[in-house]
Amino acid sequence: EVVLTQSPATLSLSPGERATLSCRASQNVKTYLAWYQQKPGQPPRLLIYDASNRATGIPPRFSGSGSGTDFTLTISSLEPEDSAVYYCQQRSDWPPLPFGGGTKVEIK
Amino acid sequence: EVQLVESGGVVVQPGGSLRLSCAASGFTFDDNAMHWVRQVSGKGLEWLAAISWDGGTTYYADSVKGRFTISRDNNDNSLALQMNSLGPEDSALYYCAKDKGYLVATMILESWGQGTLVTVSS
Repeated sequence: EVVLTQSPATLSLSPGERATLSCRASQNVKTYLAWYQQKPGQPPRLLIYDASNRATGIPPRFSGSGSGTDFTLTISSLEPEDSAVYYCQQRSDWPPLPFGGGTKVEIK
Repeated sequence: EVQLVESGGVVVQPGGSLRLSCAASGFTFDDNAMHWVRQVSGKGLEWLAAISWDGGTTYYADSVKGRFTISRDNNDNSLALQMNSLGPEDSALYYCAKDKGYLVATMILESWGQGTLVTVSS
């Protein structure tokens, strides 16, 4: 079973700064990795799928990269509305369909 | 616009059963696999189950296999989760989610409902 480890647990940055979130898989998941954003009181929203493909309606400041076991979600210039918890999820080896533990992005 | 509306969440006693429903609209329901995911308050996401577009194939997490059953009614555009032998550890917000793939389960959860809250307590 694939285990996804996200880091850091919390990221505190100012508007306009670049955010770099990491997701590490316990085994090779090729590029079958997705990222979701969850704001308080809301359901998760798909941001990125298959490592680097933005979902419909996602702004270009969100980008994903990586393959194999190491993946990155980058928010190029933080907006106040980007304050959320971000989860990664793999689909290379399922079931189950694990999510990472999440990274909380705080905007100063 | 895709809409997924969960219902059925209540307070139930340990050992009890509950059936959750998800009403889908805004897309051709029988084009897509569907999923259930839960989230304990303040914690992360746990995928529970998935069902193929035609209901012919189901998948479960080990934590619920044998206790939970996912099903769908394509005539009614609805998804269900039958939950038996509930314990306090099953207390969570339960989401239904639409798979991104067309007639194939991609395991990419493209759209989510707002969730329905299940509390297991005596």
